[in-house]
Amino acid sequence: AAGVIQSPRHLIKEKRETATLKCYPIPRHDTVYWYQQGPGQDPQFLISFYEKMQSDKGSIPDRFSAQQFSDYHSELNMSSLELGDSALYFCASSSGQDLYEQYFGPGTRLTVT
Amino acid sequence: AQTVTQSQPEMSVQEAETVTLSCTYDTSENNYYLFWYKQPPSRQMILVIRQEAYKQQNATENRFSVNFQKAAKSFSLKISDSQLGDTAMYFCASPGEYGNKLVFGAGTILRVKS
Repeated sequence: AAGVIQSPRHLIKEKRETATLKCYPIPRHDTVYWYQQGPGQDPQFLISFYEKMQSDKGSIPDRFSAQQFSDYHSELNMSSLELGDSALYFCASSSGQDLYEQYFGPGTRLTVT
Repeated sequence: AQTVTQSQPEMSVQEAETVTLSCTYDTSENNYYLFWYKQPPSRQMILVIRQEAYKQQNATENRFSVNFQKAAKSFSLKISDSQLGDTAMYFCASPGEYGNKLVFGAGTILRVKS
């Protein structure tokens, strides 16, 4: 079965640079979520989209922005990167606004040096 | 704020034995789902099992089952016949307020020993 695809899988950036993470949800899933998992921590919700509209917002820094496109893929844009942004970034997708299972992608490991 | 509490930072179990991981949660929702996710060393987040709050019957998926106590807001995971491949971090997750985002517990590291 098709899964959530994230690219790139690994990314190394320097401080103050920008990064773009991409997420391709499971076919026919219309909701995308972004989570950030720091070392030794649980995933923290950043932002979500339903039918290309922002549906919820968590602890996402103002330096970050995201959107969902007409084909339902989503991109997380991160600017003025800081060392503390080094983390595993997960994208998850689900079908509908109800509390169905969220299926997670493999994550993008971002390292800021 | 929604909270999910996993009080066991680490647990160990011998291969083929049974282990139970604990989780308590707080939610203001009336109808909701609860989840257990497994995160092996690969860091992939894998859905293990889900429970629908309006269902009284505890969910079961092969060797994995839950003990859901709605009034106590308790949601424990029982792993039977533990296998070496069960070694992972296990996260309990509950929906946050006013949205579908998941709120995770701090996780329990499970080590299965041969």
